[in-house]
Amino acid sequence: GQNIDQPTEMTATEGAIVQINCTYQTSGFNGLFWYQQHAGEAPTFLSYNVLDGLEEKGRFSSFLSRSKGYSYLLLKELQMKDSASYLCAAVDSNYQLIWGAGTKLIIKP
Amino acid sequence: IAGITQAPTSQILAAGRRMTLRCTQDMRHNAMYWYRQDLGLGLRLIHYSNTAGTTGKGEVPDGYSVSRANTDDFPLTLASAVPSQTSVYFCASSDSLNTGELFFGEGSRLTVL
Repeated sequence: GQNIDQPTEMTATEGAIVQINCTYQTSGFNGLFWYQQHAGEAPTFLSYNVLDGLEEKGRFSSFLSRSKGYSYLLLKELQMKDSASYLCAAVDSNYQLIWGAGTKLIIKP
Repeated sequence: IAGITQAPTSQILAAGRRMTLRCTQDMRHNAMYWYRQDLGLGLRLIHYSNTAGTTGKGEVPDGYSVSRANTDDFPLTLASAVPSQTSVYFCASSDSLNTGELFFGEGSRLTVL
């Protein structure tokens, strides 16, 4: 079956760096998304990777290894507003999105 | 402001009642989706539409129906609500099916008693 695994919850300190991992098992692969979702709000797009490597976008970076079925989201210079859930989603060979349950990130002062 | 609008924001209804959640987008996106989000679970696709006039079943379609009469509107209907349909429902749209960014509505919190 198809599956996405990511940690349920992580805690980090304001100003620090945190890495949120995501592993996927899908029938074929056509890219991987990261979304941010604040409590009680809609998910918003962060990144999309389809090729191996690191893509940087301001304080956020996303990495993909297709051979390992692995991605991570790296958040630098953490701010209190980064407290949110981070959703990983992989696109399979039929262009269906497979969603992880999300990682709740708690930022402490 | 361009975007995607859902209504109602929240609703409590009795089991057995019929309910329609409305979704409208003004971005001229071809693809639209309905997801439900439950605590501890990932977003689960209920139904989707690749383009106006076509719809498809997602992962959890039972008890729900959709229509796509035009590009902008994609209503979700619960013919006879049951307590297990208590959830937060998100409508989303994208330029093409599952390629590129999904834009989500603000969600509709539905409680079935």
